[in-house]
Amino acid sequence: DADVTQTPRNRITKTGKRIMLECSQTKGHDRMYWYRQDPGLGLRLIYYSFDVKDINKGEISDGYSVSRQAQAKFSLSLESAIPNQTALYFCATSDPQGLGKNIQYFGAGTRLSVL
Amino acid sequence: AQKITQTQPGMFVQEKEAVTLDCTYDTSDPSYGLFWYKQPSSGEMIFLIYQGSYDQQNATEGRYSLNFQKARKSANLVISASQLGDSAMYFCAMTIGTSGSRLTFGEGTQLTVNP
Repeated sequence: DADVTQTPRNRITKTGKRIMLECSQTKGHDRMYWYRQDPGLGLRLIYYSFDVKDINKGEISDGYSVSRQAQAKFSLSLESAIPNQTALYFCATSDPQGLGKNIQYFGAGTRLSVL
Repeated sequence: AQKITQTQPGMFVQEKEAVTLDCTYDTSDPSYGLFWYKQPSSGEMIFLIYQGSYDQQNATEGRYSLNFQKARKSANLVISASQLGDSAMYFCAMTIGTSGSRLTFGEGTQLTVNP
């Protein structure tokens, strides 16, 4: 079983619909992240959480919200989906090992299309 | 603000040969981490190698090594003895500061290994 599991793997939705992407992990890490990847580009950070009570905005948080239900679960919501939110979404986890060494491990991604 | 630049949109290499993928970075923070990730056509993001800004030696992980030149702000990935399975998109990324919370990615290099 994967250490970082994202559901669903693929989703097609319509403009204006609310949608939730879920992430669960068995790595025991405190830190979790949501990124999006647009075609031909690197990943950009949407939100991150250092523990259940800590939520932080990333560089592109507008139009998104998150919920950290437990140490192992971090969900991303699009309250009213729009076509330019069509992208590949990744969840990641990390467990910092010392000065700056914060390796992030990614799930397999959720491919979202907003029509 | 930090920035990662990958100037090679595409690279080709013959099987069993070595290849170097270029990465330059920009930050004024003395503490940072540098990472390489591999993204095969299936879409997942796979961590390959890490280099800390205070590390004295270049990082190595099996066939992967990171050529870290601090004064030139470069962190090139060297893949030795290329295999067909190495064909993928490769991303250079960095975090800054001691907490290393946010990964900033470059735009990636598409590597193709020819038989």
